[in-house]
Amino acid sequence: GEDVEQSLFLSVREGDSSVINCTYTDSSSTYLYWYKQEPGAGLQLLTYIFSNMDMKQDQRLTVLLNKKDKHLSLRIADTQTGDSAIYFCAERGQSGGSYIPTFGRGTSLIVHP
Amino acid sequence: DAGVTQSPTHLIKTRGQQVTLRCSPKSGHDTVSWYQQALGQGPQFIFQYYEEEERQRGNFPDRFSGHQFPNYSSELNVNALLLGDSALYLCASSLGTLHTDTQYFGPGTRLTVL
Repeated sequence: GEDVEQSLFLSVREGDSSVINCTYTDSSSTYLYWYKQEPGAGLQLLTYIFSNMDMKQDQRLTVLLNKKDKHLSLRIADTQTGDSAIYFCAERGQSGGSYIPTFGRGTSLIVHP
Repeated sequence: DAGVTQSPTHLIKTRGQQVTLRCSPKSGHDTVSWYQQALGQGPQFIFQYYEEEERQRGNFPDRFSGHQFPNYSSELNVNALLLGDSALYLCASSLGTLHTDTQYFGPGTRLTVL
């Protein structure tokens, strides 16, 4: 079945860039998403990218997609302590005519001064 | 404008019992999806409701059922609870069912099964 893999932890210094990586297996993935979850809260959609795009930039966030290698990354420029959270990669492909999202286990980003 | 709200925030049940969780979508939204998030895991899609009907379903047993009301609010019911049903249950609402439609998540209901 479909699978989404992420590293579990990332620690960066405030002001540095953070890069969170994700790999997926479903070749029919059409949309790929990055969500942020802060403690005690639901998920917040940060950005998404179509499978026919290579890159998408939105303020401090840059998403890179390598469709051949099924690799997605999220770069956060000038990382701040408020960026500390769990980041989930998710993909939505076509399974039996319906669209069901598959999430990774999440990468816990720790930003220290 | 209230976002997605869920009730209760926490719930403790024992094995074999039944539970009902509730969700009110963001104002103007007509589609509700439910997810189960076990500790240390990503959310898993349970099902989606639109126009009071279940439109899509993930890989969950029939013990998990739901309902959507005319005002678009929704309930998730779980029968014959198992220890493994302990998780954070998230509700997400959107306008429409397309995968481009932005889903707004509620804070979740933490269910503990003893």
